[in-house]
Amino acid sequence: GAVVSQHPSRVICKSGTSVKIECRSLDFQATTMFWYRQFPKQSLMLMATSNEGSKATYEQGVEKDKFLINHASLTLSTLTVTSAHPEDSSFYICSARGRRPRTDTQYFGPGTRLTVL
Amino acid sequence: AQKITQTQPGMFVQEKEAVTLDCTYDTSDPSYGLFWYKQPSSGEMIFLIYQGSYDQQNATEGRYSLNFQKARKSANLVISASQLGDSAMYFCAMREGQGAQKLVFGQGTRLTINP
Repeated sequence: GAVVSQHPSRVICKSGTSVKIECRSLDFQATTMFWYRQFPKQSLMLMATSNEGSKATYEQGVEKDKFLINHASLTLSTLTVTSAHPEDSSFYICSARGRRPRTDTQYFGPGTRLTVL
Repeated sequence: AQKITQTQPGMFVQEKEAVTLDCTYDTSDPSYGLFWYKQPSSGEMIFLIYQGSYDQQNATEGRYSLNFQKARKSANLVISASQLGDSAMYFCAMREGQGAQKLVFGQGTRLTINP
């Protein structure tokens, strides 16, 4: 149990375009989903936390108008990078947490590698 | 101040040996949780083991065990009988406070298992 998927796994886009990344919990209901960003050889940095049906809570320094997060259902959250620029190139990884299998654990998706040309 | 400190950027171990990955944490909250995740080169974060601050016994999950030294604020991961497939980045993380949701991650340790 506790499988989280992300789509797409890789995306290359032109500067100025928007990119949507989906995060799904496949076998459990995710009351909370998290979006992280990871630069090469660095640790994960939390971008935002979203509860189903509520607005996302963004970490300090993360532009909410640039990184739009929607958590419309208990199994799906989306991150949209609007007007992407080369500095947005990174590895984006989501995680989900629910009542099962463990309420205290975040389960991660496989990540999405975004390259902005 | 760093909440989670992993002092070993890299570790090299012979296959079948046991390995200990260090993690120290800093919190004044009596309720917290400590996690270890494995990140292979493919990128996904795999949950390995969890230790709650009130747990009386050290957590174990198969070949993984957590050496929880509360007074020292350390939560080292022990992998017994290492395998080539254990080569990966390992991250220690902490959740502070009852009902808190955020995880704070350490900088990670790259473990390489040599044949």
